[in-house]
Amino acid sequence: SQQGEEDPQALSIQEGENATMNCSYKTSINNLQWYRQNSGRGLVHLILIRSNEREKHSGRLRVTLDTSKKSSSLLITASRAADTASYFCAAGSGGGADGLTFGKGTHLIIQP
Amino acid sequence: GAVVSQHPSWVICKSGTSVKIECRSLDFQATTMFWYRQFPKQSLMLMATSNEGSKATYEQGVEKDKFLINHASLTLSTLTVTSAHPEDSSFYICSAFGTGLYEQYFGPGTRLTVT
Repeated sequence: SQQGEEDPQALSIQEGENATMNCSYKTSINNLQWYRQNSGRGLVHLILIRSNEREKHSGRLRVTLDTSKKSSSLLITASRAADTASYFCAAGSGGGADGLTFGKGTHLIIQP
Repeated sequence: GAVVSQHPSWVICKSGTSVKIECRSLDFQATTMFWYRQFPKQSLMLMATSNEGSKATYEQGVEKDKFLINHASLTLSTLTVTSAHPEDSSFYICSAFGTGLYEQYFGPGTRLTVT
């Protein structure tokens, strides 16, 4: 069942600005992952944060996880036009051998 | 490493026919494979989980007789949509997990259009 909820559903910002997307989930997790999907294409794995981690960085990406609030955020700094895509969080209840529960996604548009 | 392929990339079929989608792990042995479905402008929904040599486990609401999953080897899983109808038109994405890996790796997806 769909347990993740992202907000906002859509976000449009100017190139160079920072973009923040939030994700909430309902049950206990082992990890939370963020993916990017360009229109009509496959998923690109961005970052995985484990339940015992609070913050993780990867290049221009910063992910936070608050297990007490069952929420996570993805920050993209210094956005570029190429960052235009849909972003999904996915909750992992166990190790990689368990199916992921995806959020509804945030559609991000970077205006050049 | 950890590359997953799908074939075909897109397929158009007539209502009532069956279509098979393949998911392959190219450089690792996939002990578990997953099939997801994504309708336009929506998120991915897990359909089923398959372990090599075992019957697939289907999520609630997914008809196992309609979506036949076979995971006969450690590098190949197939999804067959039987008696396809227009409402089955969707983007089908597989992912694979193997020993020594820490996450699933996703295929590029197969777009199915049933006319």
